[in-house]
Amino acid sequence: EDKVVQSPLSLVVHEGDTVTLNCSYEVTNFRSLLWYKQEKKAPTFLFMLTSSGIEKKSGRLSSILDKKELFSILNITATQTGDSAVYLCAVALYGGSQGNLIFGKGTKLSVKP
Amino acid sequence: DTGVSQDPRHKITKRGQNVTFRCDPISEHNRLYWYRQTLGQGPEFLTYFQNEAQLEKSRLLSDRFSAERPKGSFSTLEIQRTEQGDSAMYLCASSPSAGSSYNEQFFGPGTRLTVL
Repeated sequence: EDKVVQSPLSLVVHEGDTVTLNCSYEVTNFRSLLWYKQEKKAPTFLFMLTSSGIEKKSGRLSSILDKKELFSILNITATQTGDSAVYLCAVALYGGSQGNLIFGKGTKLSVKP
Repeated sequence: DTGVSQDPRHKITKRGQNVTFRCDPISEHNRLYWYRQTLGQGPEFLTYFQNEAQLEKSRLLSDRFSAERPKGSFSTLEIQRTEQGDSAMYLCASSPSAGSSYNEQFFGPGTRLTVL
């Protein structure tokens, strides 16, 4: 069965800290890996990764994919209280299940002032 | 606002009643997805459409659930004879069907269902 596992499930840091969130996957017919940020409402898109070793960066957030070891990390530097959210990792597949994303349970990040 | 919209945002119903939710995708997106999310879990796939065709359904989608997208634009998700276990956030997402953004699904604000 296809699965996506995120760790840690929750994390509490102080403003200014750097955090690394992990996502590992075991799926057939991997196509891409996506990161979303979810505050009170709907997930908002952060990154999509399809190639190993190529870092994607947006401000203080960056992410990289390792297709050999089947994992991705999301880094957030100089964290701010506004980064507090659940960060979701999802995998998209080729083939019969190409219509949906398989999500992990998320990492709940709390940034304290 | 050109994002995905959902209506209603909250629904409280009694067990056994039928409920219907609506999703309006981003206008140029021809793929539309429904997910269900419960507390502490990631979204779980329910079904998706390409234009008006329903191409995939999860085994989570019991006979009490039905989804339609009759004109390839908005979609409705109906739950018949609701049960307390149906209480969840129902999320709708849309994406293009081709190109580099193929898998970038954009989510609506969700409909939170509470079944009493």
